[in-house]
Amino acid sequence: QSVLTQPPSASGTPGQRVTISCSGSSSNIGSNYVYWYQQLPGTAPKLLIYRNNQRPSGVPDRFSGSKSGTSASLAISGLRSEDEADYYCAAWDDSLSVMFGGGTKLTVL
Amino acid sequence: QITLKESGPTLVKPTQTLTLTCTFSGFSLSTSGVGVGWIRQPPGKALEWLALIYWNDDKRYSPSLKSRLTITKDTSKNQVVLTMTNMDPVDTATYYCARVTIFGVVIILFDYWGQGTLVTVSS
Repeated sequence: QSVLTQPPSASGTPGQRVTISCSGSSSNIGSNYVYWYQQLPGTAPKLLIYRNNQRPSGVPDRFSGSKSGTSASLAISGLRSEDEADYYCAAWDDSLSVMFGGGTKLTVL
Repeated sequence: QITLKESGPTLVKPTQTLTLTCTFSGFSLSTSGVGVGWIRQPPGKALEWLALIYWNDDKRYSPSLKSRLTITKDTSKNQVVLTMTNMDPVDTATYYCARVTIFGVVIILFDYWGQGTLVTVSS
């Protein structure tokens, strides 16, 4: 069982805005940065968001991240069929371990 | 261009020791602020962090697997090696290596990933 809690699934129709939550504790999300990864079927994860809300070069601005207290969210606006993937949150723990969420499978209806 | 690639056995027997190598290019583990980590993913399941090694040889391990893991680096070969002892069928997973970059107070966790290598544990 993952330390960071994500909903197992989410869905939306093309063009919609979808959010995926990630819940942790004061020792991980509450005091450290949050990261988000996208894993397309059969491929390695790809960094989408770092430092809570920063996008690496090449990541569309349709993807945005936020954090409040011990929870974080990934928002995807203007949903596209190619966004159908698994999404994982991650955060450092105060013990300098890395924690991943259980992943959310996003379906584009 | 930054690339990472995992290599090692595809099949190991229970109780054996697994040795995986991550060979990378486009960056150096002798550069301040750089690290390489290992992450695994059992079939159909979530990602699980295993270990990290930094340019200064600082090492971090998953608390739940610490007793079984050893991570080392060979800067001259641009390689990071992970060993996991006493393998069990539940350790069957795709094993990934990925880079960590630290710019001052900004830590970019796993910005580049290898393609992963599937390791099956079975007798």
